[in-house]
Amino acid sequence: GAVVSQHPSRVICKSGTSVKIECRSLDFQATTMFWYRQFPKQSLMLMATSNEGSKATYEQGVEKDKFLINHASLTLSTLTVTSAHPEDSSFYICSASGTGFGYTFGSGTRLTVV
Amino acid sequence: KQEVTQIPAALSVPEGENLVLNCSFTDSAIYNLQWFRQDPGKGLTSLLLIQSSQREQTSGRLNASLDKSSGRSTLYIAASQPGDSATYLCAVRRGNYQLIWGAGTKLIIKP
Repeated sequence: GAVVSQHPSRVICKSGTSVKIECRSLDFQATTMFWYRQFPKQSLMLMATSNEGSKATYEQGVEKDKFLINHASLTLSTLTVTSAHPEDSSFYICSASGTGFGYTFGSGTRLTVV
Repeated sequence: KQEVTQIPAALSVPEGENLVLNCSFTDSAIYNLQWFRQDPGKGLTSLLLIQSSQREQTSGRLNASLDKSSGRSTLYIAASQPGDSATYLCAVRRGNYQLIWGAGTKLIIKP
């Protein structure tokens, strides 16, 4: 079945630094990639949608200069949290969709900014 | 605007019972509906995907139904086990690939 590999699974960084999260589709071409964040005891919140080779579409209220998304190939998308602050601490999940597929999710990244 | 509601928000049942989780949506023009499971602090696992033309899907002890006209989907879990304890999320897909999420039902199966 379709698999999405997300790394790292957990990261702790200092305030002001940047963190990159990667999502790779291992056995299918991910034409569309979604990035979500989830605060404790809350549902997933879509941050942005990206199609391979084009700029990401960000949801209202999500700072595109802070959350940089790159989807340069059909198998790789990255989310970079720039100048991270403690309020950026959250659980980030990617989801990939290819032609004819439902959605396949990465295993998530727990980001803690100290 | 599509809205997805899941009831109940939390459910606790003894092991071995059959149970039903509910998901309702306001706009019947959906592409498909998917049920997911999320364990604490972990990513999502897709359980069942129902295309808009389908009425139900089954996988093991799980059965999901879809009634677009009434805007409802149910996830039926037979012979529940403690390992089924998790948060169950339903999501409706619009034509533009986006998913609209319910807030989830937290399920606890008591041994």
